[in-house]
Amino acid sequence: DTGVSQNPRHKITKRGQNVTFRCDPISEHNRLYWYRQTLGQGPEFLTYFQNEAQLEKSRLLSDRFSAERPKGSFSTLEIQRTEQGDSAMYLCASNGQGFDEQYFGPGTRLTVT
Amino acid sequence: AQSVTQPDIHITVSEGASLELRCNYSYGATPYLFWYVQSPGQGLQLLLKYFSGDTLVQGIKGFEAEFKRSQSSFNLRKPSVHWSDAAEYFCAVFDNRKLIWGLGTSLAVNP
Repeated sequence: DTGVSQNPRHKITKRGQNVTFRCDPISEHNRLYWYRQTLGQGPEFLTYFQNEAQLEKSRLLSDRFSAERPKGSFSTLEIQRTEQGDSAMYLCASNGQGFDEQYFGPGTRLTVT
Repeated sequence: AQSVTQPDIHITVSEGASLELRCNYSYGATPYLFWYVQSPGQGLQLLLKYFSGDTLVQGIKGFEAEFKRSQSSFNLRKPSVHWSDAAEYFCAVFDNRKLIWGLGTSLAVNP
C-alpha cells in the first residue's frame, strides 16, 4: 500500500464552475477525513466518514460542498459554483481507529480565478 | 471550545542548534496530542503523539515532546537541528472524531 492518494494534485478553475476531488485512503482504514488548509493556517476540519456513513460535517461545509464515500473506500469532495474564497489546499486523511494517527494524502490545491 | 495555540509563527535556528517549538492546548479531558510536520510539496507527516503514560514521548527524526498538564503544553524539542528539518510544524489535539490544529510554526535553518 502506498498510502493515501489524492487526485488531481492541482486544479485551476473559473469562478462559478464545479469541481470534484478524489481521495483513495489506505485500504484497511475505515475512517476518512477531509480538511481544508489556506496559506499560513493549520488544516480545518470539513467532514468525516466511518465506512460509507458521513458522521460529521463542519459548519465550514456550506451547501455548495458535498462529500461522498459510496462504498466505504474512496471518497469524493465536490464544490459547486466555486468562489475565490474556496481557493485552498484540500487534504484527505484516513485511519483505522478514531483517536489514532491520521495518514494524510498530498492534497489537492484548488485555485479559483 | 477546544483549541491549540502555537505562539511562534516563525523561528530561525542555526544548523546544529537546539530547537523548542511551543504548543498550548485547551481541552477539558485528557488530551490526545500530536505533532505533524509539513514540508513543501509533501503531505503532513506524524512526528509523534501522546495518548497517556510517560509524559516524554519520542518521535521520528530525533524529535521528542513533553506533555505538561499543569501548563497545558506539549512542546516539541530536538537537540541538534539539521538543514532538512526546515518545514512547517503543526500541533494538534484530537477532539471527538477530528483533529483541531494550531496555526503552525515555520522553521528556517541557517547553515
